[in-house]
Amino acid sequence: KAGVTQTPRYLIKTRGQQVTLSCSPISGHRSVSWYQQTPGQGLQFLFEYFSETQRNKGNFPGRFSGRQFSNSRSEMNVSTLELGDSALYLCASSLVLGTSGSKSYEQYFGPGTRLTVT
Amino acid sequence: SQELEQSPQSLIVQEGKNLTINCTSSKTLYGLYWYKQKYGEGLIFLMMLQKGGEEKSHEKITAKLDEKKQQSSLHITASQPSHAGIYLCGAVLNNAGNMLTFGGGTRLMVKP
Repeated sequence: KAGVTQTPRYLIKTRGQQVTLSCSPISGHRSVSWYQQTPGQGLQFLFEYFSETQRNKGNFPGRFSGRQFSNSRSEMNVSTLELGDSALYLCASSLVLGTSGSKSYEQYFGPGTRLTVT
Repeated sequence: SQELEQSPQSLIVQEGKNLTINCTSSKTLYGLYWYKQKYGEGLIFLMMLQKGGEEKSHEKITAKLDEKKQQSSLHITASQPSHAGIYLCGAVLNNAGNMLTFGGGTRLMVKP
């Protein structure tokens, strides 16, 4: 079974531009989450999608947005890029969405997209 | 303060030695995940624990969850250079969804 794939792997953008990153989850997985990793802040949760709906959102400005398609593939968009947006963006896929009081599910990460903003 | 604290932040061990990494939460744990990351790459799933007292092993790596202490430990037996990397614990803290809060990571170096 193929793992989580992310495209592109590397990206260089200029301040003020916008960028779209793509994530294809493991076949059969319906939950996709996005994370930002920086040396200063570590790994931080951006948002999670399940059945084309955003289920959870982290503490990031509205410039960060995402969506999920009917085939569970997900994209995230960052508009008006700032230098501080330079980071490794990771997506994770899980079989289902964990619900209150229920079991947790294994989450698998992709290789990430390295975004550099100049 | 961090909701999920990892210790130590870095570790250098001689090949063949055992080591332990700890992960402590300030909130109730609903699921605890251990990952390994090579610098600048994605996270490799190691184990997931969700019940108090649960213990899982994979090859030479064992992880345990102490629900009462809201703590998990990752133990590597007879370390090898291939174990080098950054170990990250992540946890579901809000009892909903798959949102993970991560610790700061432990950088492990294994000297041959």
